Amino acid sequence: DAGVIQSPRHEVTEMGQEVTLRCKPISGHDYLFWYRQTMMRGLELLIYFNNNVPIDDSGMPEDRFSAKMPNASFSTLKIQPSEPRDSAVYFCASSSSGTGGYTFGSGTRLTVV
Amino acid sequence: DAKTTQPPSMDCAEGRAANLPCNHSTISGNEYVYWYRQIHSQGPQYIIHGLKNNETNEMASLIITEDRKSSTLILPHATLRDTAVYYCIVRGYGGSQGNLIFGKGTKLSVKP
Repeated sequence: DAGVIQSPRHEVTEMGQEVTLRCKPISGHDYLFWYRQTMMRGLELLIYFNNNVPIDDSGMPEDRFSAKMPNASFSTLKIQPSEPRDSAVYFCASSSSGTGGYTFGSGTRLTVV
Repeated sequence: DAKTTQPPSMDCAEGRAANLPCNHSTISGNEYVYWYRQIHSQGPQYIIHGLKNNETNEMASLIITEDRKSSTLILPHATLRDTAVYYCIVRGYGGSQGNLIFGKGTKLSVKP
């Protein structure tokens, strides 16, 4: 398995533009997580899905952030409109039910100028 | 909030064992101890987890005290590639209890 695949690896955009981050989880995993990492706040859980259904989005910072999982092999995190304070590394992770560990993707480094 | 306390940084000589401590005094009976590490610019990597027995895999050993209020991750022969931030996480089972909540971790520097 190729692991959790995120795209793009790097994204630079102007303030006010829409940004879409993509994630392909490991086949067979039924949980998907979106995290954000900054120097100030560390790794923060934004939202997670179970069987494609959003379960807890309490970590999503604002209404500008939205996430979808249309099927078991694809998820998106959208920011509209983007702001400079959204600059961070965004990680996607997946896991299977039970006590197994999460597998993280390589992340998307977002810079909003 | 993270339920664990770790030293912010540690040094280790290459080839020696690295022993990373973690306090989790409020751990409950159904919560597991997980260890992850993050090498610079990469996603966190799962290392090992345990409930109450000591565990060992190809990467590391996990020693959990009998009262489960603390644990130690042991890298038996540290290499320069083990330089990373190591996170100790207490994780429940099912629902939001099963989420991984990361604290600040321990920055381990392995020196030649």
